[in-house]
Amino acid sequence: DAGITQSPRYKITETGRQVTLMCHQTWSHSYMFWYRQDLGHGLRLIYYSAAADITDKGEVPDGYVVSRSKTENFPLTLESATRSQTSVYFCATGGTAYQPQHFGDGTRLSIL
Amino acid sequence: AQKITQTQPGMFVQEKEAVTLDCTYDTSDPSYGLFWYKQPSSGEMIFLIYQGSYDQQNATEGRYSLNFQKARKSANLVISASQLGDSAMYFCAMREVNYGGATNKLIFGTGTLLAVQP
Repeated sequence: DAGITQSPRYKITETGRQVTLMCHQTWSHSYMFWYRQDLGHGLRLIYYSAAADITDKGEVPDGYVVSRSKTENFPLTLESATRSQTSVYFCATGGTAYQPQHFGDGTRLSIL
Repeated sequence: AQKITQTQPGMFVQEKEAVTLDCTYDTSDPSYGLFWYKQPSSGEMIFLIYQGSYDQQNATEGRYSLNFQKARKSANLVISASQLGDSAMYFCAMREVNYGGATNKLIFGTGTLLAVQP
């Protein structure tokens, strides 16, 4: 039981293309999150979701779209990829405010 | 605005020695949580330890302990008896709890790269 699964693990694409990163959890946690990790910035929150059909922006949401029609899935879409979106993307889940977030293994995205 | 500061970009420690990784935070909320994560070279994020703002005692998890000084707004991670496998990036993070509608967002520091030398 993987708990939280991200796919793909690696992706190379070109500027202007649409890219969707998938995140699936088996824990039924209410909260799900998308972060990007860049050197010198740590992890920054892109979008998060408190429950199915409830999403909200994080610190760096521009250029990204999310949806959450089912509790277990939280895809992240780059509608028109730019080079500045080259990064490592992490999906995370959390149950309550006093529990740690658990992270997927990450997706390394390169935009040429 | 809430902020996490890790002032040590990199550190060396000898195997079997203890090491302290610094973390300071800034928040106006009275209720918050502090976390430490480890990221080895393989890339995954591993939860290490948690400290709640109302916890009376410092958190401990095996060789990890959190030196929580609320008045100074610091939450330093102490690793005792360092092992080669402790070589990794370490991130301090803070979560805010809003009773009117918790977001559970995490704010991360920029990390400290720890290298354990034999």
